[in-house]
Amino acid sequence: KAGVTQTPRYLIKTRGQQVTLSCSPISGHRSVSWYQQTPGQGLQFLFEYFSETQRNKGNFPGRFSGRQFSNSRSEMNVSTLELGDSALYLCASSLDPGSRADTQYFGPGTRLTVL
Amino acid sequence: GQNIDQPTEMTATEGAIVQINCTYQTSGFNGLFWYQQHAGEAPTFLSYNVLDGLEEKGRFSSFLSRSKGYSYLLLKELQMKDSASYLCAVANTGFQKLVFGTGTRLLVSP
Repeated sequence: KAGVTQTPRYLIKTRGQQVTLSCSPISGHRSVSWYQQTPGQGLQFLFEYFSETQRNKGNFPGRFSGRQFSNSRSEMNVSTLELGDSALYLCASSLDPGSRADTQYFGPGTRLTVL
Repeated sequence: GQNIDQPTEMTATEGAIVQINCTYQTSGFNGLFWYQQHAGEAPTFLSYNVLDGLEEKGRFSSFLSRSKGYSYLLLKELQMKDSASYLCAVANTGFQKLVFGTGTRLLVSP
């Protein structure tokens, strides 16, 4: 079974631009979560989608948004990029058992550099 | 608030045993995960504890004490390939949200 895939793997943008990142979960997984990883802050939760609905959101500004499609694929968008948005963006998928925690499987990430 | 603490860096020798500690203060505890992340790669799942006690999986074991807000990951018979960052993450009851510590970078030397 193929793992979580993310595209693109690397991206360079300039301040003020916007960017869209894509994530395809493991086949059969219905929950997709997004995380930002930086050297100083570690992994921080952005949001989680299930059945095309955002169920959970972290403490990030509204410039960060996402969506999920009917096939469970997900995209996240960052508008008006700032230098501090430079990070590794990781997507993780899980089966979603409901209220209990389920193992999340991570994709390789998209390395975003904002100049 | 939520807080997860792990040592920043640890060093150990090939063949030795190392214990990586994690303390947490979170709301709505729904289990604790350990992930391994090699430089430039995605985190990979190692273990999950939701009840108190020790879970053993080959060379790796993970322990949880919910009353103390404490967990550790035990790595035995260390190999060079175990050099990586080890991430402690707590699952909130808010569905699939994981709260991560900043990770412990383990360096294994010959």
